[in-house]
Amino acid sequence: EAGVAQSPRYKIIEKRQSVAFWCNPISGHATLYWYQQILGQGPKLLIQFQNNGVVDDSQLPKDRFSAERLKGVDSTLKIQPAKLEDSAVYLCASSSGNRDNSEQFFGPGTRLTVL
Amino acid sequence: AQSVSQHNHHVILSEAASLELGCNYSYGGTVNLFWYVQYPGQHLQLLLKYFSGDPLVKGIKGFEAEFIKSKFSFNLRKPSVQWSDTAEYFCAVIVTGRRALTFGSGTRLQVQP
Repeated sequence: EAGVAQSPRYKIIEKRQSVAFWCNPISGHATLYWYQQILGQGPKLLIQFQNNGVVDDSQLPKDRFSAERLKGVDSTLKIQPAKLEDSAVYLCASSSGNRDNSEQFFGPGTRLTVL
Repeated sequence: AQSVSQHNHHVILSEAASLELGCNYSYGGTVNLFWYVQYPGQHLQLLLKYFSGDPLVKGIKGFEAEFIKSKFSFNLRKPSVQWSDTAEYFCAVIVTGRRALTFGSGTRLQVQP
């Protein structure tokens, strides 16, 4: 079974520039998550989709971050404009079930450096 | 809001030593508990999980964890570590009604041959 795919793997931009990340979840997985992992910290949820609807975006900085999941499959996360503190690894995860204990499968992440 | 604390940020052990990594959570209701591991250069992957029933759960590669409800703890243990256990370990919780994980800050384990 193919895993969660993410691209790009690495991105370096200057502050105030825009950037977009892409995620392709495991086939058939209805739930998709974006997490932000700052160096030295655990991942923190940014947004959760169930199919193409947003379930939880309470921790998404909506003035600069946006995400969509058109057609309930792939998802993109955008930052516009980027700040220095956005430097982090952005992780995408997916799960198949609709229960609290459904296992989440993680992608390799995109490492963003904002200069 | 729920939170997860991992007390050991960096642990160095010799091969064959026993391991115990601490994890405490703050939430008064029902929780689902997880340990994830990230080996160097690899994805986060599930090590073990607890939902209900026997509070002692066994995971992959000889790891186990014990849920102690009265202490809000879910410590990870392994009787004898190997060099290949060198990785970062994350404790995480899902509270009832949500599906997103709340992670601790992680513990970096370094096993010396």
